[in-house]
Amino acid sequence: NAGVTQTPKFQVLKTGQSMTLQCAQDMNHEYMSWYRQDPGMGLRLIHYSVGAGITDQGEVPNGYNVSRSTTEDFPLRLLSAAPSQTSVYFCASRDGATNEKLFFGSGTQLSVL
Amino acid sequence: QQQVKQSPQSLIVQKGGISIINCAYENTAFDYFPWYQQFPGKGPALLIAIRPDVSEKKEGRFTISFNKSAKQFSLHIMDSQPGDSATYFCAVSGGYQKVTFGIGTKLQVIP
Repeated sequence: NAGVTQTPKFQVLKTGQSMTLQCAQDMNHEYMSWYRQDPGMGLRLIHYSVGAGITDQGEVPNGYNVSRSTTEDFPLRLLSAAPSQTSVYFCASRDGATNEKLFFGSGTQLSVL
Repeated sequence: QQQVKQSPQSLIVQKGGISIINCAYENTAFDYFPWYQQFPGKGPALLIAIRPDVSEKKEGRFTISFNKSAKQFSLHIMDSQPGDSATYFCAVSGGYQKVTFGIGTKLQVIP
């Protein structure tokens, strides 16, 4: 039971490049989400999903896309990377409405030059 | 609009002392109030959580105090240890509502 797995762990991009951060969970959780963590800003919600085919925006969605075609996977796409997207990204999942404990991945450290 | 306000942003406590971190929220629809602990290079992990039907919950050295009328809750770490040095986040949520976090408190426990 691996929990929440994020890849890659580190990534360096040039401004304007696109990439996808991968997130997979093997706990059959309905709810999955992406956060970014910046110094002095805490954890800010980018996008979240309450089940396959359902996604919604969080606090800071601009510049990011998500899709949820399966229960297990919730990739985060950066369409045209900007230096302001330099951050540590965390994927998190939880069982559903009755079990609100969030399980986090180990994070992806992204630098945009 | 910041849904949850956390303070202080940093805290230094002597070993054996009490660490106290506070959070205040706005939306009375929230009914789940967790605290997460994060060590450097790791993802946050649930430490302790409370629902608004009780005013206090204790798990070992960690206690949440909850004041529903003031819309505030706090984390108390008794007998703080150097191993407790980490960043602590409060959060609010309810049912399928998205989980919103505070800005975090970096705790350092010095010997």
